[in-house]
Amino acid sequence: EDQVTQSPEALRLQEGESSSLNCSYTVSGLRGLFWYRQDPGKGPEFLFTLYSAGEEKEKERLKATLTKKESFLHITAPKPEDSATYLCAVQPNTGNQFYFGTGTSLTVIP
Amino acid sequence: GAVVSQHPSWVICKSGTSVKIECRSLDFQATTMFWYRQFPKQSLMLMATSNEGSKATYEQGVEKDKFLINHASLTLSTLTVTSAHPEDSSFYICSARGERGAVDTQYFGPGTRLTVL
Repeated sequence: EDQVTQSPEALRLQEGESSSLNCSYTVSGLRGLFWYRQDPGKGPEFLFTLYSAGEEKEKERLKATLTKKESFLHITAPKPEDSATYLCAVQPNTGNQFYFGTGTSLTVIP
Repeated sequence: GAVVSQHPSWVICKSGTSVKIECRSLDFQATTMFWYRQFPKQSLMLMATSNEGSKATYEQGVEKDKFLINHASLTLSTLTVTSAHPEDSSFYICSARGERGAVDTQYFGPGTRLTVL
């Protein structure tokens, strides 16, 4: 069964304290893994797509990496404006559906 | 800027009335549109998947006669909550799947907050 597990559920960091969020997945053939950011009361905002193990993508303080079983979202020297819920989703090779994790709620304290 | 719009962004209605929510992809044609529901501090719950010109596919437990989905064109899908009741109050989010640049993914709308009194 295709599924996605994100950890931790919540993470509090001091400003400047780097850390990583984890997304573990099981899927019958991976078409793509996606990271989104969601602010309270808003729809998710697309961040990255990763397609194959070993691939990395970067955007400002964020870097996403992918292995055959998991993906990490590394946050380097976070700022308070990075506070949000980060969602991970996988799309199998067959079908249209994306499978979402429950998200990691990140709070960065000034 | 936004690539998927939703209208209205919030709506308050009386119990028993129907509410229509529009979802539009703004600068790309969406092969598929999705409707999600999200409760406070919880993740997205997929309600249904729709392709232009065909009937929507509903997830288990979602009443298709209560949540009517029309996918009229490659850029527009609507969700109508019929005979709404307080338990239908929630945050409804649509997404459109399409290719922008070299990325084929789901792009989400800003969401619609529905409150049923």
